[in-house]
Amino acid sequence: DQQVKQNSPSLSVQEGRISILNCDYTNSMFDYFLWYKKYPAEGPTFLISISSIKDKNEDGRFTVFLNKSAKHLSLHIVPSQPGDSAVYFCAATFSGTYKYIFGTGTRLKVLA
Amino acid sequence: GAVVSQHPSRVICKSGTSVKIECRSLDFQATTMFWYRQFPKQSLMLMATSNEGSKATYEQGVEKDKFLINHASLTLSTLTVTSAHPEDSSFYICSAQTEETQYFGPGTRLLVL
Repeated sequence: DQQVKQNSPSLSVQEGRISILNCDYTNSMFDYFLWYKKYPAEGPTFLISISSIKDKNEDGRFTVFLNKSAKHLSLHIVPSQPGDSAVYFCAATFSGTYKYIFGTGTRLKVLA
Repeated sequence: GAVVSQHPSRVICKSGTSVKIECRSLDFQATTMFWYRQFPKQSLMLMATSNEGSKATYEQGVEKDKFLINHASLTLSTLTVTSAHPEDSSFYICSAQTEETQYFGPGTRLLVL
């Protein structure tokens, strides 16, 4: 039972344009969400997070939006750069626990 | 940011042998560390939660006698894959918990022949 889903396995975007990565979850008890970036044969790197009390969090080129009613979050990268090419994982967790549930990942390719 | 290392980065072993993977938090102390496993093109699956000074907590379906976890200090957790078989071949990643988030190690690629 996949509680966190990333339905797009891959995405290609032109350099300078916006990349939008989507993530859906099924458990309404999740109250903290994170995005990680991963290069091949490396561990994930933390990008940005959002608490369920917010609907938006921004950090430089990265913005995460949370729609609790739709159980959906998205990561916006603008402008996209070739160095952003990687696999992006969303993760969800509950307050009081450190256990993260990861999505299956979306491979982003930014074309120069 | 916080740095987590893993050793070895890559290991090839014969079926039936045991392999130990180390996970270290280099510039911070971590009471809690996690071990994940990732199959190709799949998500990171949590295997177990490693707590310093106590027994690890294993996720459903993970054999605790096969995947031995020791969290002997606030900066080191080890995962030992005992009597490894080819189906244990995978990418193993550890993470260390801080107040803000989990920081991940670079992963260990295990190939069992």
